[in-house]
Amino acid sequence: ETGVTQTPRHLVMGMTNKKSLKCEQHLGHNAMYWYKQSAKKPLELMFVYNFKEQTENNSVPSRFSPECPNSSHLFLHLHTLQPEDSALYLCASSPSGLAAGELFFGEGSRLTVL
Amino acid sequence: GESVGLHLPTLSVQEGDNSIINCAYSNSASDYFIWYKQESGKGPQFIIDIRSNMDKRQGQRVTVLLNKTVKHLSLQIAATQPGDSAVYFCAEINYGQNFVFGPGTRLSVLP
Repeated sequence: ETGVTQTPRHLVMGMTNKKSLKCEQHLGHNAMYWYKQSAKKPLELMFVYNFKEQTENNSVPSRFSPECPNSSHLFLHLHTLQPEDSALYLCASSPSGLAAGELFFGEGSRLTVL
Repeated sequence: GESVGLHLPTLSVQEGDNSIINCAYSNSASDYFIWYKQESGKGPQFIIDIRSNMDKRQGQRVTVLLNKTVKHLSLQIAATQPGDSAVYFCAEINYGQNFVFGPGTRLSVLP
């Protein structure tokens, strides 16, 4: 138990569907992150939120839309995805967004786009 | 751009032997390094970290060595156990910037 909970753990969607991934952290952290993990690739940073403000968008296509209503919750809204978007999406949190300490990861949401 | 990489994509060791996983980094200004372990179906978990002003740090059965001269990081696992089977990532961090992760090394422990 890392204190970062992601739902759903598995998701299968068609290219025309709209779905959302949810992340919740119980650590009192101020920064939250979305990472994409594809086979044989390093973890790819997608978005960073620090004190609910987006501080990083790593050239992510607009079919991925993040939302951070408060410091404990982070969403990733998905629509019109492509099969190459199939991957493990990891949420993480840290005390602040200054990379001064470790990231705490959730278990991930395994996404399959048909 | 900056990069963090691993010398070996897979490593197989006998149970009870010591394991050494290596990582090369390219940014000599990096402040902080972390090793993560990712078991199948789980998210990465922190194992051990080291600051750039240190050469060595020990944890329970794990040791991280940092050689700034050649920009090399290693993770040593003593008396490797079946539960150590996982993918291991190194991460390179500059204060105020984002983490840069290596591609990972899969460690397989043979009975």
